[in-house]
Amino acid sequence: EIVMTQSPATLSVSPGEGATLSCRASQSINTKLAWYQQKPGHPPRLLIYSASTRATGVPVRFSGSGSATEFTLTISSLQSEDFAVYYCQQYNDWPPLTFGGGTKVEI
Amino acid sequence: EVQLVESGGGLVQPGGSLRLSCAASGFIFVTHGMSWVRLAPGKGLEWVSDISRGGGTAYYADSVKGRFTISRDNAQSSLYLQMDSLRDEDAAVYYCARLAPGISKFFDNWGQGTLVTVSS
Repeated sequence: EIVMTQSPATLSVSPGEGATLSCRASQSINTKLAWYQQKPGHPPRLLIYSASTRATGVPVRFSGSGSATEFTLTISSLQSEDFAVYYCQQYNDWPPLTFGGGTKVEI
Repeated sequence: EVQLVESGGGLVQPGGSLRLSCAASGFIFVTHGMSWVRLAPGKGLEWVSDISRGGGTAYYADSVKGRFTISRDNAQSSLYLQMDSLRDEDAAVYYCARLAPGISKFFDNWGQGTLVTVSS
């Protein structure tokens, strides 16, 4: 099973600042990585797939990068609606499909 | 617009059973694999199971293997999860999620979720 590790667990940021979230895979997953955003009481929303491709409708302030075992989600100039929990998910080797533990971005 | 609407959650005693349903609309159901993903209180997302477009292939997380059964009815555009021998640790919000087209297994659309509570 591929283990996904996200850091930090919590990130405190002020509106207008940037944020960098990390995701590490226990073995190479090429670029088979997705990022999701989840707000309390809402389902997850796909942000990024193939490590760096924005999903339809996702603002350009969200960008993904990385390959093999190290990945980054960058949010430039955080807006109020960006405060949420972010998850990475690998789909290179399954089953199982595995998620990271999440990073909470808070004010 | 893609819509996934789950139902069937509720309160069940340990050892009991529940059947979750997911009604899909806004897309050609048979062209997508489908999945169940859960979010337990205080925890992160956990993939539970997925099923191929035709329904002939299914995969399960080890934590539910032998207790849960995923199925689909393409004529009704519906996905199901039969959950038997429920345990305390199965308590979670269960999401129906659509798998992206092709062989890439990420989730491009999600339902609102249905809450499963396991308690005596």
